[in-house]
Amino acid sequence: EAGVAQSPRYKIIEKRQSVAFWCNPISGHATLYWYQQILGQGPKLLIQFQNNGVVDDSQLPKDRFSAERLKGVDSTLKIQPAKLEDSAVYLCASSPTPTDTQYFGPGTRLTVL
Amino acid sequence: AQKVTQAQTEISVVEKEDVTLDCVYETRDTTYYLFWYKQPPSGELVFLIRRNSFDEQNEISGRYSWNFQKSTSSFNFTITASQVVDSAVYFCALSGWGNKLVFGAGTILRVKS
Repeated sequence: EAGVAQSPRYKIIEKRQSVAFWCNPISGHATLYWYQQILGQGPKLLIQFQNNGVVDDSQLPKDRFSAERLKGVDSTLKIQPAKLEDSAVYLCASSPTPTDTQYFGPGTRLTVL
Repeated sequence: AQKVTQAQTEISVVEKEDVTLDCVYETRDTTYYLFWYKQPPSGELVFLIRRNSFDEQNEISGRYSWNFQKSTSSFNFTITASQVVDSAVYFCALSGWGNKLVFGAGTILRVKS
């Protein structure tokens, strides 16, 4: 069974530019999560989707971050405009239901210069 | 609020030594789940174990074992006869109602040959 897919794996941008990340969850997983992992820290949840609806986005900086999950499968996370402090690894995870174990993708490492 | 503390920032051992990674958690939920994930240099978070709050039975899986003690709010992880391939960052995590994962800061394990 294929795992969670993410692209790109690495991205370098200048501050104030825009960037988008893509995630394809494990087939059949209704719940999708985006996490931000700053170097030296544990991942922090940004947003949780159940199918194509948002369950929790309380920690998403909505002035610059947005996410969508059209059709309840793939998801994109966008940052516009990026700041230096957005440099981090962005991890996507999925689970069959909201109470099941979350499985993570390889992440996208973002560097903002 | 939920909190996970991994007091050991970094541990170095020589191959074949046993090593225990500590995890202490705080939660007001009566039903919750505890997890351990491994993050090798490639960056992907690999699921190791999930334990619910009603099951305090210790678990062993090959060289890995977990000790869950509700009385001390701890969920420690032991690797027996460590190997170089065990070198990674290990995260303890907690989820309660809503399945929102709260991670500790992680423990870097370095196994030297």
